[in-house]
Amino acid sequence: AQSVTQLGSHVSVSEGALVLLRCNYSSSVPPYLFWYVQYPNQGLQLLLKYTSAATLVKGINGFEAEFKKSETSFHLTKPSAHMSDAAEYFCAVSLYNFNKFYFGSGTKLNVKP
Amino acid sequence: EAGVTQFPSHSVIEKGQTVTLRCDPISGHDNLYWYRRVMGKEIKFLLHFVKESKQDESGMPNNRFLAERTGGTYSTLKVQPAELEDSGVYFCASSQDLLSEQFFGPGTRLTVL
Repeated sequence: AQSVTQLGSHVSVSEGALVLLRCNYSSSVPPYLFWYVQYPNQGLQLLLKYTSAATLVKGINGFEAEFKKSETSFHLTKPSAHMSDAAEYFCAVSLYNFNKFYFGSGTKLNVKP
Repeated sequence: EAGVTQFPSHSVIEKGQTVTLRCDPISGHDNLYWYRRVMGKEIKFLLHFVKESKQDESGMPNNRFLAERTGGTYSTLKVQPAELEDSGVYFCASSQDLLSEQFFGPGTRLTVL
């Protein structure tokens, strides 16, 4: 069975600080892993995806995530937070690339000036 | 190019009433997905259309939910009769094929009183 756990429903950082959003997954087969972002009143937007190539994945807006099989983790990071990063972030796993996602419960990122 | 659109953006109905949600996918996208997020929890898969056919409806909660995609273009999701626990945000997504990125709509927020 596939599932995703996102630790921390709310994360608050100061502008310029490191962003770390945690995601752990459970999958019966090698997973495809994704991070999506939702800005207010908008749909989910793909940030990045892991599909069994490089374990360090770079995405849009300076975000990156590292796939660690031994830890079953896929944490999202950004070296320096910007006010525009304030949004809700979702980690997701799928058995097949881009098909039938299993999402986590989301993490709202607040960026303080 | 227009993205995935959903109508209405908000709907407030009373328990026992019927509500129909609509999703217009990106033109040319054969795959259409419905997801639901209940009370700030995880986003859950409901079903997947390939053109007008239901490919996977394993996530549909019960027979009060009926999804259609006549002609393989827009899709509707009807809830009849609505119950309190149906409240949440219903997302629609579309993709060109099974290996392509899913693009999400902004969601319909349904409140059942």
